[in-house]
Amino acid sequence: EAEVAQSPRYKITEKSQAVAFWCDPISGHATLYWYRQILGQGPELLVQFQDESVVDDSQLPKDRFSAERLKGVDSTLKIQPAELGDSAMYLCASSFATTGSGNTIYFGEGSWLTVV
Amino acid sequence: GDSVTQMEGPVTLSEEACLTINCTYTATGYPSLFWYVQYPGEGLQLLLKATKADDKGSNKGFEATYRKETTSFHLEKGSVQVSDSAVYFCALAKTSYDKVIFGPGTSLSVIP
Repeated sequence: EAEVAQSPRYKITEKSQAVAFWCDPISGHATLYWYRQILGQGPELLVQFQDESVVDDSQLPKDRFSAERLKGVDSTLKIQPAELGDSAMYLCASSFATTGSGNTIYFGEGSWLTVV
Repeated sequence: GDSVTQMEGPVTLSEEACLTINCTYTATGYPSLFWYVQYPGEGLQLLLKATKADDKGSNKGFEATYRKETTSFHLEKGSVQVSDSAVYFCALAKTSYDKVIFGPGTSLSVIP
């Protein structure tokens, strides 16, 4: 079964350093999402792409976070500089389409970030 | 704004006990509703979904019915197993977007 691939699986970084996460969605999925999940809470959407375009980044802290999906396939989420409060799991997900409701969203295994 | 509320956990049950995890939502329009499950150290997996009122989603012995009149989507299972131990998230997606809004999650532990 096709999966959403993410890397790295675990990352420990020092405060004020830069960190990047990579995601490869399921082939053919036009919509890609980055979610942040703080331990003990539900995931919160950071950014949503439709192909290479951002359609929702209202919750992305743009002073330190950036995301791109240059060719409309894989995507990178960057944090610079990292802060202690950024420690969380970063989940990438993808879905086939955005039109209508009920489209199944498939999640990757997540990238755990610890900022020390 | 749109939101999802779930019963607080953790929930601890003995094997073969009945499970109900309550979920209610607030949203304009007619959202689709989902239950996702997260096993320890893993990402989320879709467990079941319902796209319109009175629909029943079911999978792996779990089921939930979309109740528009009570804005609820409670998760039920008649007989839980140890392997069901996980965190369960109720979620909704609006018709005009594809953004999924998650509840805070309910942790379930099933003991032998």
